[in-house]
Amino acid sequence: QKEVEQDPGPLSVPEGAIVSLNCTYSNSAFQYFMWYRQYSRKGPELLMYTYSSGNKEDGRFTAQVDKSSKYISLFIRDSQPSDSATYLCAMSALTFGNEKLTFGTGTRLTIIP
Amino acid sequence: KAGVTQTPRYLIKTRGQQVTLSCSPISGHRSVSWYQQTPGQGLQFLFEYFSETQRNKGNFPGRFSGRQFSNSRSEMNVSTLELGDSALYLCASSSETPMNTEAFFGQGTRLTVV
Repeated sequence: QKEVEQDPGPLSVPEGAIVSLNCTYSNSAFQYFMWYRQYSRKGPELLMYTYSSGNKEDGRFTAQVDKSSKYISLFIRDSQPSDSATYLCAMSALTFGNEKLTFGTGTRLTIIP
Repeated sequence: KAGVTQTPRYLIKTRGQQVTLSCSPISGHRSVSWYQQTPGQGLQFLFEYFSETQRNKGNFPGRFSGRQFSNSRSEMNVSTLELGDSALYLCASSSETPMNTEAFFGQGTRLTVV
């Protein structure tokens, strides 16, 4: 079983809809949680990061972390065609000397105009 | 500020050959990590270098190796290439902090092994 599980999709929603993307994980040591967006033929770009449990909002994006359930979410409000991309969750144990990120496999999202 | 630069962008190699990929991190970043991305496995951590020292290593065979130079530029090498090594290889750099929370990725090198 993978440390981080993410539904690969694909997920298609109409423009303007609210999108919900999720990941579950099994490693209790994870403390930093990130969401990356990757356009075709590009490297991943960091969208948001959250430390421990809680919510974080940045414009149309909201990240939620529930450590008790080992579950993280990314919500996109008022979705736009430019949001069409693969979204990757990533996590880190935040231990000095163990700076690797563990990624989900990514969810491919398409926003239909 | 220039981003992470990876060269070459595309590479085609034959089974059994070896390959070297290059990564120039963002200026001032001393941590460089390498990841392999495939459709089935997603992004998998290869190794991380900090100040020319390998600080962490993923679960890849010894055919995969890397190094970092004094100017923080990094190279990774794959010897005795196999068809399964075909993937997008991504390099990420981050600033001088104990954690790798804000890793900036390059566009990757697409390696095809035939």
